[in-house]
Amino acid sequence: GDSVTQMEGPVTLSEEAFLTINCTYTATGYPSLFWYVQYPGEGLQLLLKATKADDKGSNKGFEATYRKETTSFHLEKGSVQVSDSAVYFCALLGDYKLSFGAGTTVTVRA
Amino acid sequence: DVKVTQSSRYLVKRTGEKVFLECVQDMDHENMFWYRQDPGLGLRLIYFSYDVKMKEKGDIPEGYSVSREKKERFSLILESASTNQTSMYLCASSRSGASNTGELFFGEGSRLTVL
Repeated sequence: GDSVTQMEGPVTLSEEAFLTINCTYTATGYPSLFWYVQYPGEGLQLLLKATKADDKGSNKGFEATYRKETTSFHLEKGSVQVSDSAVYFCALLGDYKLSFGAGTTVTVRA
Repeated sequence: DVKVTQSSRYLVKRTGEKVFLECVQDMDHENMFWYRQDPGLGLRLIYFSYDVKMKEKGDIPEGYSVSREKKERFSLILESASTNQTSMYLCASSRSGASNTGELFFGEGSRLTVL
């Protein structure tokens, strides 16, 4: 079945550091891919998405590129802020439902 | 502002009690979902519904049931709560059909502790 594997955390960074969270997937066909973010005390919200190979999703300074050849959708941000501290989830849309990764907790220190 | 509202943020129940978790959305979405979130396991789908009175099992339906009597409301029921159902429960909704972009709108979650 469809599945998503993302790097384990927690990840702790200093402000202005570069952030990468790895995500790989297993699926039949070419699913749409997503990154969701959960800020402390809040529900999950969509951060960005890509619907086909080589698409790049971007939002709030974050980017992720749909790589069919490596079945990956790694999340990157060039300069993180304290406000980026959150749990990040990679997900894929297979048939009718989303399958989520385990989540990566990111803490950014001032 | 569009919203998914879960009725209880925090609940403490005893083993064997019947538990109701309520979720209401104001976006006229056809699809509604219940997930549980556990550290290291991410989100796991319990049940979902694509229409009123319709329901489908997700990946971990055992010990749970659901009810969707109105389009905007989706309830999760634990018939006899057990300690291994202590978790964060997340409700979500989405559009369906050609309008389904895969984006889910989530509530803030209900943290259930079963003693």
